[in-house]
Amino acid sequence: SQTIHQWPATLVQPVGSPLSLECTVEGTSNPNLYWYRQAAGRGLQLLFYSVGIGQISSEVPQNLSASRPQDRQFILSSKKLLLSDSGFYLCAGLVRGRYTEAFFGQGTRLTVV
Amino acid sequence: KQEVTQIPAALSVPEGENLVLNCSFTDSAIYNLQWFRQDPGKGLTSLLLIQSSQREQTSGRLNASLDKSSGRSTLYIAASQPGDSATYLCAVNEAAGNKLTFGGGTRVLVKP
Repeated sequence: SQTIHQWPATLVQPVGSPLSLECTVEGTSNPNLYWYRQAAGRGLQLLFYSVGIGQISSEVPQNLSASRPQDRQFILSSKKLLLSDSGFYLCAGLVRGRYTEAFFGQGTRLTVV
Repeated sequence: KQEVTQIPAALSVPEGENLVLNCSFTDSAIYNLQWFRQDPGKGLTSLLLIQSSQREQTSGRLNASLDKSSGRSTLYIAASQPGDSATYLCAVNEAAGNKLTFGGGTRVLVKP
């Protein structure tokens, strides 16, 4: 079965510092990959999704960027973090097609101080 | 653009009562819909996956129905227990590019 390894689980970073969150996929190839953010008490907001290597779609304008250097690797980055970047970040995957179930990493709780 | 809405945003019930959670979506061109559970500070646990061709799916005390034409899904949890307290999220897998869109969630508290 498909799994996503996402790290770190928690992260505390100062305002203005860079960010790099990584997730890697096992058990499947050529999945769609997604980055979501969840602010405290809120729902999951789609930030980026990718249908293949080097292909990134951005859902909301923001301080973040994403890259997919390899088929099973999806990276979320920022050059300078803002306080408003704090939240819970989830990486998700989906094998394309009708009969597939989304699978998720365990999430990263980011606190910008 | 697909929009997914969950009502109510929060729900509090006494133990033993049945729970009814609603999810609505604006674009019926979906492959499937998933229901998830999220405990505070944790990731997502998949509860049920219901395909667009199905009308319902059951697992234990959980039953999910889907009416694709009207853009609605309902999650029923029978005989609620305090351990069912969590946030429940629905997500639709859109046919156009397999984009996964979530609702805002329903926060459930089951009181002993």
